[in-house]
Amino acid sequence: DSGVTQTPKHLITATGQRVTLRCSPRSGDLSVYWYQQSLDQGLQFLIQYYNGEERAKGNILERFSAQQFPDLHSELNLSSLELGDSALYFCASSVGTEPTYEQYFGPGTRLTVT
Amino acid sequence: GQQVMQIPQYQHVQEGEDFTTYCNSSTTLSNIQWYKQRPGGHPVFLIQLVKSGEVKKQKRLTFQFGEAKKNSSLHITATQTTDVGTYFCAGLEYNFNKFYFGSGTKLNVKP
Repeated sequence: DSGVTQTPKHLITATGQRVTLRCSPRSGDLSVYWYQQSLDQGLQFLIQYYNGEERAKGNILERFSAQQFPDLHSELNLSSLELGDSALYFCASSVGTEPTYEQYFGPGTRLTVT
Repeated sequence: GQQVMQIPQYQHVQEGEDFTTYCNSSTTLSNIQWYKQRPGGHPVFLIQLVKSGEVKKQKRLTFQFGEAKKNSSLHITATQTTDVGTYFCAGLEYNFNKFYFGSGTKLNVKP
């Protein structure tokens, strides 16, 4: 158990819809990262927040957005969903601002868009 | 596009054989991290390398960071079935503060 929690575990929705994925980091970690992993693919970095502020941006689509709240939990919002958005979405947390710190990954949310 | 490439994509070995995965970047990296993801699981941090030419060992695993800080390797000696999973490298690009995960090497170990 990494100490990072993600909800829901599974999500099935239709094209065009909007969903919100939630992540609670490990106690004491200020950074939250979001990743997308398509079937049998690598991890695509989406975005990082540190202590409520956006820190780094990867290949995140404009239809996707995220935020980190004062209690440090984070939400990833995916809108106008397409079939290709079906993937495993991981959240990770770490202590510092830079990704030079060990990242602890949550169990992931599996999104299926039909 | 992908800045950190990993080879091979898949590797099937007999238990007891050695295994190596290679990670190559087109740009200089500030650091490199290695993660392991078991089937159906989430990535778990293994190690971080920071210095040019650095070599670190964890039991049967040996990690190397290239002299130019553009490549890295993970070598497993005498694989066991517990080594099954996908091994990812992840690097922080030196100049642009961008973090990239490699495409991963999926290791299967036959008993």
